[in-house]
Amino acid sequence: DAGITQSPRHKVTETGTPVTLRCHQTENHRYMYWYRQDPGHGLRLIHYSYGVKDTDKGEVSDGYSVSRSKTEDFLLTLESATSSQTSVYFCAIRGHPYNEQFFGPGTRLTVL
Amino acid sequence: DAKTTQPNSMESNEEEPVHLPCNHSTISGTDYIHWYRQLPSQGPEYVIHGLTSNVNNRMASLAIAEDRKSSTLILHRATLRDAAVYYCISQNQFYFGTGTSLTVIP
Repeated sequence: DAGITQSPRHKVTETGTPVTLRCHQTENHRYMYWYRQDPGHGLRLIHYSYGVKDTDKGEVSDGYSVSRSKTEDFLLTLESATSSQTSVYFCAIRGHPYNEQFFGPGTRLTVL
Repeated sequence: DAKTTQPNSMESNEEEPVHLPCNHSTISGTDYIHWYRQLPSQGPEYVIHGLTSNVNNRMASLAIAEDRKSSTLILHRATLRDAAVYYCISQNQFYFGTGTSLTVIP
């Protein structure tokens, strides 16, 4: 158990509303990641963080922002949710020294 | 950017061995090969990793080709609980693709 939790686990929201998803880790890992998973696309990287206040874009970052003010928390924000952002969102941390990733349980987001 | 290719789906009978292939011909010579699996309605779970030598752990074995262009995840006796999607990626890859969906037949 890598000590990763995500909240909320399920959320239904309306188009145009802001949404923030939280990833929390208890093991002081430096690298954290946000992915989305959609049928037919596998897992795609949205944003990642390599330390407090250090973040960078992934493959599908448009429409998303992130923040990391503490080592243990990595927040993903949809400033104005759209139906195309309906997905399952996974957070992950990176182990050391082999860079293996450990994933949280996921958040199922539905944007109506 | 290293990419891996895997068959979309495979089937196995329960209690028989399963060999899940992965091609990674563009992998860097120093990057580890990682395998993950994802059970229904769960997040991906780390399974095993390797560099050049074959590796074993409690979950599976990993056989790596001598030229490192391919690897095979081996489940020695498939159980119904092994039905999942299996992904192989290089250690610095962040695109998981759609993996191999393994069906285990009772």
